[in-house]
Amino acid sequence: SAVISQKPSRDICQRGTSLTIQCQVDSQVTMMFWYRQQPGQSLTLIATANQGSEATYESGFVIDKFPISRPNLTFSTLTVSNMSPEDSSIYLCSVVLLAGSYNEQFFGPGTRLTVL
Amino acid sequence: RKEVEQDPGPFNVPEGATVAFNCTYSNSASQSFFWYRHDCRKEPKLLMSVYSSGNEDGRFTAQLNRASQYISLLIRDSKLSDSATYLCVVNIRDDYKLSFGAGTTVTVRA
Repeated sequence: SAVISQKPSRDICQRGTSLTIQCQVDSQVTMMFWYRQQPGQSLTLIATANQGSEATYESGFVIDKFPISRPNLTFSTLTVSNMSPEDSSIYLCSVVLLAGSYNEQFFGPGTRLTVL
Repeated sequence: RKEVEQDPGPFNVPEGATVAFNCTYSNSASQSFFWYRHDCRKEPKLLMSVYSSGNEDGRFTAQLNRASQYISLLIRDSKLSDSATYLCVVNIRDDYKLSFGAGTTVTVRA
């Protein structure tokens, strides 16, 4: 299994500001993703964090709003820029561990963001 | 139309009861299917993968119906500890990018 930590675990921010969320994994992983869960909604994939190159964003998400860094195989950051109340969500990072034909995706504990 | 849809519940059942619920997915080319368990204020955790032939893990049975594009989860002999939200998860392109349902809430009462 993978042990994933996220910082901060929660934050309350003013609109117009930015917050950077960190994700640390206890082992090297190739695939790392960022998801968000808005209140009452399902988890939605934001982007794939690629080590050594720009992140790959899903439809509806752009780099200017959610810049992502992946400096190595154990760490990534997601920044929520110029926040508005609509950005209030739980943000989760996840990693995929591959073992032959078996793979499992593990999630971090999440960062609960409230934007006032 | 959402890629993955679930009955949100809640399903309130007594201990020892059997509870079952479904999830439908919209993309017929979907590759892999999972049930995740999501406890309040914790991260989602894989409960079980769902295989075409159906599979069982203890008290949990998962079924996949590709023709009708639905997945089911059945919990037998419910325990209080089974109370959680169960997320139906689909991997459409087999690239590990997961599509989530909004979850089905199950509450098991004593």
